[in-house]
Amino acid sequence: DGGITQSPKYLFRKEGQNVTLSCEQNLNHDAMYWYRQDPGQGLRLIYYSQIVNDFQKGDIAEGYSVSREKKESFPLTVTSAQKNPTAFYLCASSPIPGQGLDTEAFFGQGTRLTVV
Amino acid sequence: AQSVTQPDIHITVSEGASLELRCNYSYGATPYLFWYVQSPGQGLQLLLKYFSGDTLVQGIKGFEAEFKRSQSSFNLRKPSVHWSDAAEYFCAVVTGGATNKLIFGTGTLLAVQP
Repeated sequence: DGGITQSPKYLFRKEGQNVTLSCEQNLNHDAMYWYRQDPGQGLRLIYYSQIVNDFQKGDIAEGYSVSREKKESFPLTVTSAQKNPTAFYLCASSPIPGQGLDTEAFFGQGTRLTVV
Repeated sequence: AQSVTQPDIHITVSEGASLELRCNYSYGATPYLFWYVQSPGQGLQLLLKYFSGDTLVQGIKGFEAEFKRSQSSFNLRKPSVHWSDAAEYFCAVVTGGATNKLIFGTGTLLAVQP
């Protein structure tokens, strides 16, 4: 059963600690994305990747880091440099547009991070 | 820079009434356009998409959207709203080209009155 899985669903961390959010997909998609969602601000792009070992900053990359060592995995690390990390984080994957493939993005169920 | 604008933050409609959610994009070429719906605390589900061809596209749950190049719009419509349609709706654009970014509007929260 193909899909995209984020874990954990809820995460609590102390201020100043780094934390890594997991995102795995078995859809054979090349592109993967991380978004942050805050009330009234929609989904803001943090990082995205179109190919293994390559990724680009989105609009709010400061205080975050990612890696793309495998096609299936795109973990996001929220570092202590992120000033306000408490938020709902969504991961997505899709084929790359323009390659004759359906470019619909599929989303995980999200991780709610709370920093105390 | 590419952007997506959803001018209505919150809309309330009566059950059975028609609905139109607005979306405008800023992008030079014809983008890939999407509407997604999100229930509280959940991920996003695709309602419909436009890549090319017929500018009126049909989606799931009775939704449709019309691409209007002259207005840079992709408004979502439904003839008769059901209470279960209450959710947050997001318009999104894939910019294509070298960047291939998937960017979203700020969302419209739909409330349905009995």
